[in-house]
Amino acid sequence: DTGVSQDPRHKITKRGQNVTFRCDPISEHNRLYWYRQTLGQGPEFLTYFQNEAQLEKSRLLSDRFSAERPKGSFSTLEIQRTEQGDSAMYLCASSLRRDRGTDTQYFGPGTRLTVL
Amino acid sequence: AQTVTQSQPEMSVQEAETVTLSCTYDTSESDYYLFWYKQPPSRQMILVIRQEAYKQQNATENRFSVNFQKAAKSFSLKISDSQLGDAAMYFCAYRKTSGSRLTFGEGTQLTVNP
Repeated sequence: DTGVSQDPRHKITKRGQNVTFRCDPISEHNRLYWYRQTLGQGPEFLTYFQNEAQLEKSRLLSDRFSAERPKGSFSTLEIQRTEQGDSAMYLCASSLRRDRGTDTQYFGPGTRLTVL
Repeated sequence: AQTVTQSQPEMSVQEAETVTLSCTYDTSESDYYLFWYKQPPSRQMILVIRQEAYKQQNATENRFSVNFQKAAKSFSLKISDSQLGDAAMYFCAYRKTSGSRLTFGEGTQLTVNP
């Protein structure tokens, strides 16, 4: 069973450019999550999907951020008009939610974004 | 809103010794999960152990065990027989049972000295 994968692992971009990250969850996992982690801090929740439906978005997810999971499998996170404050590690996690919320989230290696 | 606090930014332990990492949380929920995740340098976050709030018995996973005090809202992690590979950032996390998002603490950087 392969784990969660993310691409690219590193991204350097100039302020104002758009970037897109991809996450491939563990196969058969119906939930997919995005978190952001800045240096020396714990991850902060951004959004999550159950299958293809985006069910919750954090206030951290400004209008410049958009996430999709078109077929309920992989997901993309796009940041438009990047700002230096967007520099962070973007983590993806997936889980299999059945009943009683017993699922555990498994994390990918992350995409480190640096905005110059 | 739920909060998770780890009051020890850094901890160190000698190889083969035991160390305890602290975590407190605040919630009005009665049904929730608590987790400890480990994040080695430049590597992905790995689940160490999970505790269900409705279970009174403390969870254990090999050398890792927790001390869950629900009334005190405390959830500490004990690592026995510490190994060099245990060196990492450790995060305590909370999720209400009906919820989705994990709420993380600030992390504790654990150093294991040979």
